[in-house]
Amino acid sequence: DQQVKQNSPSLSVQEGRISILNCDYTNSMFDYFLWYKKYPAEGPTFLISISSIKDKNEDGRFTVFLNKSAKHLSLHIVPSQPGDSAVYFCAASAWVNFGNEKLTFGTGTRLTIIP
Amino acid sequence: NAGVTQTPKFRVLKTGQSMTLLCAQDMNHEYMYWYRQDPGMGLRLIHYSVGEGTTAKGEVPDGYNVSRLKKQNFLLGLESAAPSQTSVYFCASSYSKGLAGGRKNTDTQYFGPGTRLTVL
Repeated sequence: DQQVKQNSPSLSVQEGRISILNCDYTNSMFDYFLWYKKYPAEGPTFLISISSIKDKNEDGRFTVFLNKSAKHLSLHIVPSQPGDSAVYFCAASAWVNFGNEKLTFGTGTRLTIIP
Repeated sequence: NAGVTQTPKFRVLKTGQSMTLLCAQDMNHEYMYWYRQDPGMGLRLIHYSVGEGTTAKGEVPDGYNVSRLKKQNFLLGLESAAPSQTSVYFCASSYSKGLAGGRKNTDTQYFGPGTRLTVL
């Protein structure tokens, strides 16, 4: 049972335009969400995160939006640059029991920025 | 700081052979994790550790064993490799849940560069 879903395996966007990557989750206990970026032959690197007490978090060109009622989050990249071409993973965690030591990852979306 | 390092970077095994993947971190993190990444499957947690001397099963633990004898090292063992274990393996680490500074500090995991394993 995939608790975190990224339904678009790939996305192509023109350079300078907005890239929107989507993520849905099913577990209502998730209360913290992260986006990771992964280049080929490298490990994932943390990009941006959001707590469930917020509905938006910005960091430069990257903004994450959270819609708790829809159990949906999205990552906006504006403007998109060639260096943004990578696989993006959405991840979620839950402060349950005694800790929050596990992340549940989505399957990833490969973003290609077209020059 | 080197961050999270993994040894080896690549390995080819024959079915039935054994091997150990080494993960080391120099960030004094309490928590460490082993994931595998397969096409269309995302990152799946194999085993994890919340401190030296402790380990726990993740989502796909069968066929793997782990040990955390030192805080900075987390070893992943394959006792009898199978073709289904062909994958890219990532190690990660994070701070403990008791760390001040909010969820960004405690929930963010830092990943190594990966080990590509092929089992023939």
